[in-house]
Amino acid sequence: SQQGEEDPQALSIQEGENATMNCSYKTSINNLQWYRQNSGRGLVHLILIRSNEREKHSGRLRVTLDTSKKSSSLLITASRAADTASYFCATETTDSWGKLQFGAGTQVVVTP
Amino acid sequence: EAQVTQNPRYLITVTGKKLTVTCSQNMNHEYMSWYRQDPGLGLRQIYYSMNVEVTDKGDVPEGYKVSRKEKRNFPLILESPSPNQTSLYFCASSPIGVRISNQPQHFGDGTRLSIL
Repeated sequence: SQQGEEDPQALSIQEGENATMNCSYKTSINNLQWYRQNSGRGLVHLILIRSNEREKHSGRLRVTLDTSKKSSSLLITASRAADTASYFCATETTDSWGKLQFGAGTQVVVTP
Repeated sequence: EAQVTQNPRYLITVTGKKLTVTCSQNMNHEYMSWYRQDPGLGLRQIYYSMNVEVTDKGDVPEGYKVSRKEKRNFPLILESPSPNQTSLYFCASSPIGVRISNQPQHFGDGTRLSIL
C-alpha cells in the first residue's frame, strides 16, 4: 500500500480561487515534499517541509505539516490557469533510507 | 543545462523482447532512482541507487533490473517484458545529503512503454 495518499483526487476551480489539497501518510517520516506534474511531463519539486516544521511558504504556496495527524496540506493561493497540473506528496519513512514514496496525486484544473 | 535525460521517450515492443531504458544525469548526483506511473496509483519506486555499484529494491522491483557502473548513468532493464509493464517510467536524481527526503528530486521527461 502507498505511504502517502492525496485528497481530493481531483479539484476544479476558477482562476483567482485558492486550491487546497491534503496528503496523509501512515508511518513516521523525516521530511515531506510536494511536486507538480504537468500533463505527460516529469515531476517538478515545489517545496520541502521538515518534520520539525509546521508551516512553510514559497510564493503563492503554503504547506503545513501535522505530524500528530500524519498529514500535510498544500495551499495554492490566487490560482492561475498555469497551475493546472497534478500535485503529489512524497515521503521517506524514518526506517527506510533512500526509499521515496509518492501518493496517487491530486489533479487540479484551473479554468480562466 | 542541468538535466536528467531518458531514452527512448516512447517505445512499443512485444512480450519477451529484452529492452533497456537509459537514464543519464549531468549534475554529479549520487542518488538515482526509477519510478513507474500508472493511472490512479501515482509513482511507485522500482529501484534506487545511492552511488556507483550500490542499488536497492524499491516497492515494485519484480521484472526489472538495474545497474550503476558509472555515476551519471542508471539504466533500467526489462529482461522479458510483459504487458503488465506497460507504463510511464521516470528516472530521477539528487544529491544524497543527510536524508534523500531533504533533497529535491530532478526528474527526466519520462519514457512511455507499451508492451504488446
